[in-house]
Amino acid sequence: DSGVTQTPKHLITATGQRVTLRCSPRSGDLSVYWYQQSLDQGLQFLIQYYNGEERAKGNILERFSAQQFPDLHSELNLSSLELGDSALYFCASSGPSGGSYNEQFFGPGTRLTVL
Amino acid sequence: DQQVKQNSPSLSVQEGRISILNCDYTNSMFDYFLWYKKYPAEGPTFLISISSIKDKNEDGRFTVFLNKSAKHLSLHIVPSQPGDSAVYFCAAGSGNQFYFGTGTSLTVIP
Repeated sequence: DSGVTQTPKHLITATGQRVTLRCSPRSGDLSVYWYQQSLDQGLQFLIQYYNGEERAKGNILERFSAQQFPDLHSELNLSSLELGDSALYFCASSGPSGGSYNEQFFGPGTRLTVL
Repeated sequence: DQQVKQNSPSLSVQEGRISILNCDYTNSMFDYFLWYKKYPAEGPTFLISISSIKDKNEDGRFTVFLNKSAKHLSLHIVPSQPGDSAVYFCAAGSGNQFYFGTGTSLTVIP
């Protein structure tokens, strides 16, 4: 158990809909990262938050947004969903310094299926 | 465009032998490299890392080798054990952004 929790575990929705994925980092970790893993793809970095502020942005679509709240949990919002958004979405957290040189601890992921 | 590539989607090795997983990257500015292991239905877990100032890092049965001129890194597992059967991802990057490969599925045959 990495100490990172993600809810829900599975999510099935229809095209055009909007969903919110939630992540709680390990106790004491200030950084939260979101990744997308599509079929036969590696982990695609989406975005990083550090202590409530956006720190780095990767290949995140404009239809996607994220935020980190004062209690350090994070939410990833996916809107106008398309079939191609079906994927595993992982959240990871890392220690207090904010840099990715710290080991990232991954949650179990949320499997999103868009029908 | 994949900045980090793992060209072997799968690898099978006999228990007790060496497993060698390979990874190539394209960006010479990357200065930190990691390997993660992933079991089904779980998130990836950190295995071992190496910075660009080194060419080898060892942790028990796991050794990572970095060849900066070839932009290549490899993970050696010796001796391989059935519990090592998993998907292995390499990651490379610098600062706050890391790029992951597509993974190599390792099967260790008892």
